[in-house]
Amino acid sequence: DGGITQSPKYLFRKEGQNVTLSCEQNLNHDAMYWYRQDPGQGLRLIYYSQIVNDFQKGDIAEGYSVSREKKESFPLTVTSAQKNPTAFYLCASSPDRDGYTFGSGTRLTVV
Amino acid sequence: AQSVAQPEDQVNVAEGNPLTVKCTYSVSGNPYLFWYVQYPNRGLQFLLKYITGDNLVKGSYGFEAEFNKSQTSFHLKKPSALVSDSALYFCAVRRLTGGGNKLTFGTGTQLKVEL
Repeated sequence: DGGITQSPKYLFRKEGQNVTLSCEQNLNHDAMYWYRQDPGQGLRLIYYSQIVNDFQKGDIAEGYSVSREKKESFPLTVTSAQKNPTAFYLCASSPDRDGYTFGSGTRLTVV
Repeated sequence: AQSVAQPEDQVNVAEGNPLTVKCTYSVSGNPYLFWYVQYPNRGLQFLLKYITGDNLVKGSYGFEAEFNKSQTSFHLKKPSALVSDSALYFCAVRRLTGGGNKLTFGTGTQLKVEL
């Protein structure tokens, strides 16, 4: 079945540590996105990529980095510069001009 | 800038009764509108979308939404609620500036259906 796989489901980060969240899709979608979800704030866009080897900052890109070396993969790195990283992270993909397909999310907690 | 507002943090309804989850939008030009549902610790699932055409849009799981241009609203409805409909619902609008297919989401409405 086609879909988006996010891993791990749960992730714990120590202070000052970088962590990478995985997102893989087999839907053959060109565009991929990373959103952050916090209670009461909805979803906020971190980064997006419309095509391989290209990506753009979203609304809250500070402290995050991404790469898009393959069409299927769009990993997100949460760096030590992100001061409040505890959140639920959602990856999505879409064909042009249509709705998104979401992964199941990664819950990141700072310990 | 495109935006959506969900004025209710929570909606409570009895099973079997009709439900409405409200969404208003602000866009320049014709809006592309979406509804998604999220169950606990899961990603969002697509319910329905309005691009153009009939103002009443039918979607998954018996949900429908009515697009009202004069009131700039896109309320989600279901004739008879089920306990299993209890979840977090998000309205979204496609951004028309800055390129790409970016969606702006509302803050979400928690729907609770009780026996």
